[in-house]
Amino acid sequence: DSGVTQTPKHLITATGQRVTLRCSPRSGDLSVYWYQQSLDQGLQFLIQYYNGEERAKGNILERFSAQQFPDLHSELNLSSLELGDSALYFCASSVEAGEDEQYFGPGTRLTVT
Amino acid sequence: AQKITQTQPGMFVQEKEAVTLDCTYDTSDQSYGLFWYKQPSSGEMIFLIYQGSYDEQNATEGRYSLNFQKARKSANLVISASQLGDSAMYFCAMRELYTGGFKTIFGAGTRLFVKA
Repeated sequence: DSGVTQTPKHLITATGQRVTLRCSPRSGDLSVYWYQQSLDQGLQFLIQYYNGEERAKGNILERFSAQQFPDLHSELNLSSLELGDSALYFCASSVEAGEDEQYFGPGTRLTVT
Repeated sequence: AQKITQTQPGMFVQEKEAVTLDCTYDTSDQSYGLFWYKQPSSGEMIFLIYQGSYDEQNATEGRYSLNFQKARKSANLVISASQLGDSAMYFCAMRELYTGGFKTIFGAGTRLFVKA
């Protein structure tokens, strides 16, 4: 158990809908990262937050947004969902915002039908 | 451009033998980090080992070691004394500084099968 929690574990929804994925980092970790893992794209970095502020942005679609709250938990919002958004979404956390080790949560499997 | 290349989609190894999983990377940064993660069939991502670009010695963590050859831009993972539980997907990743934060780029992965 990495200490990073993600809810829900599984999510099934229809195209055009909006969902929110939640992540709680390990105690003491200030940085949160979101990743998408799909069969065709592999593991893709989406976005990083550090202590409430956006720090780095990767291949995140405009339909997706994220935020990190004062208690350091983070949410990833996915809207206008398409079939291609079906994937495993991971959250990871680290103490700082740099080259330290990231601990991954168990992931949320999103299925868009 | 491909930043992380793992050329072995699948590898077989006999239990108790050593295996090397290849990883090459491409960056123009002087400071970067290299990581290996294991993803079993259950889906979670497990951190295995880290090598900083300025580290002169190869990183080791138990049965895992990272063969870091900076000039060749390679960061191969060596697993010694393979166990059945090592059967999993293995990802090589590189972390680069990216406009105030860090971006981690993953390779396509290598699926390792350990035979009894």
